[in-house]
Amino acid sequence: DTGVSQDPRHKITKRGQNVTFRCDPISEHNRLYWYRQTLGQGPEFLTYFQNEAQLEKSRLLSDRFSAERPKGSFSTLEIQRTEQGDSAMYLCASSLEWDRYGYTFGSGTRLTVV
Amino acid sequence: QKEVEQDPGPLSVPEGAIVSLNCTYSNSAFQYFMWYRQYSRKGPELLMYTYSSGNKEDGRFTAQVDKSSKYISLFIRDSQPSDSATYLCAAFAGNTPLVFGKGTRLSVIA
Repeated sequence: DTGVSQDPRHKITKRGQNVTFRCDPISEHNRLYWYRQTLGQGPEFLTYFQNEAQLEKSRLLSDRFSAERPKGSFSTLEIQRTEQGDSAMYLCASSLEWDRYGYTFGSGTRLTVV
Repeated sequence: QKEVEQDPGPLSVPEGAIVSLNCTYSNSAFQYFMWYRQYSRKGPELLMYTYSSGNKEDGRFTAQVDKSSKYISLFIRDSQPSDSATYLCAAFAGNTPLVFGKGTRLSVIA
C-alpha cells in the first residue's frame, strides 16, 4: 500500500458541468476525509466517513456537493453545476479511528472551472 | 475568528538559521496538535505531532504546545534549502475533524 491515491490529479471543466473525483485511502484506515484548499489558505474540512457512514458535513458543503464511500473502501466527491468559486485543490485523507498520529493526505485533485 | 490562526508570512531565512513558526488557537477542547509540511502542488505531509502541552523533538525539528496560552510552535534548527515549503499547524479535539491554520510559507536561501 503506497498511501492515499487521488484521481485525477488535474481537472479543467467548464462552468455548469458536473465533475467527480475519486480517493483510494490506505486500506486499513477506516476514516476518510475530504478537504478543500484554495491558494494561500490552509485545508478546510468538507466531510468525513467512518467506514461507509458519512458522519459529518461542513456548511461549506453546499447542495451541489455530494460524497459517497460505498462499502467503506474508496470514496467519490461529486460537484454538480460547477461554479468558478469551486476552483481549488480537493484533498483526501485517511486515518485510523482515534488516530493519534494525524491524517495521511493524498496529493490532491486540482480543479479549475473556466 | 478562526479556530487556528497562523501568520501566512512569507518568511525568508538564510541557510543554517533557526526558524520559529507559531500559531494560536481558540478552542479549549483541542488536545492534539500537529505540524504538516506542504510542498508546492502536493498534499500535506505530517511532520510533528504533540498531545496536550509539552515539547517533542525529532531531529532538527522541535514542536511545543502551551495550552495555558493556546500557543503552538515549531522550531527548525540548521535550516536547509530543502526545508522551503509551506508549514501548516493543525489541531483537533479527538473525535472531531482536524482544523488547520492558513500555513506559513518558508524560504531557506542557500
